[in-house]
Amino acid sequence: RKEVEQDPGPFNVPEGATVAFNCTYSNSASQSFFWYRQDCRKEPKLLMSVYSSGNEDGRFTAQLNRASQYISLLIRDSKLSDSATYLCVVNQAGTALIFGKGTTLSVSS
Amino acid sequence: GAVVSQHPSWVICKSGTSVKIECRSLDFQATTMFWYRQFPKQSLMLMATSNEGSKATYEQGVEKDKFLINHASLTLSTLTVTSAHPEDSSFYICSAFPGTLAYEQYFGPGTRLTVT
Repeated sequence: RKEVEQDPGPFNVPEGATVAFNCTYSNSASQSFFWYRQDCRKEPKLLMSVYSSGNEDGRFTAQLNRASQYISLLIRDSKLSDSATYLCVVNQAGTALIFGKGTTLSVSS
Repeated sequence: GAVVSQHPSWVICKSGTSVKIECRSLDFQATTMFWYRQFPKQSLMLMATSNEGSKATYEQGVEKDKFLINHASLTLSTLTVTSAHPEDSSFYICSAFPGTLAYEQYFGPGTRLTVT
């Protein structure tokens, strides 16, 4: 079983749509959780951390359920510029990040 | 914000040659650097963990004699792909961990290696 699993997509949505990505992780000792964004042929960039209480950053909302080891990302009012691959990432303190395979989002006009 | 550079950004080499990739933290000291590899349409996979002044720790399945890692200073780690083969063609990315926060890591821009 992979440590971090994501639906690879692709998700093809029109501008303005709301889209949700899910992720599950297998290591219950994981302490930190993130969503990264990766554009084609670029390094991943931190989109947002994910907290148990849920957190929001503009159009982006992240949720964490430690009991079911499940993480989600919701994007509202999708923009063309949101087209990218979204990586679910977990780690323990001071250790390397464990990446999911990523979910590809394509937003069209 | 913290900046990590990688050099070269892309390289094409012939099979059997060796290639060195440098990862530098420009405005902070990195106690630990991580080397990842990403094949097309795959996730980033950790290759090794590099701590300054000590031997790197390699992940299972990564040949330490083929991928030589040297972390000579708190701002520089190098990855040398020895006797490169076409199957080593990949996107190599380093990240640097300053050790101040539990999770904060900074990624380099990556090096795209093509072995012909």
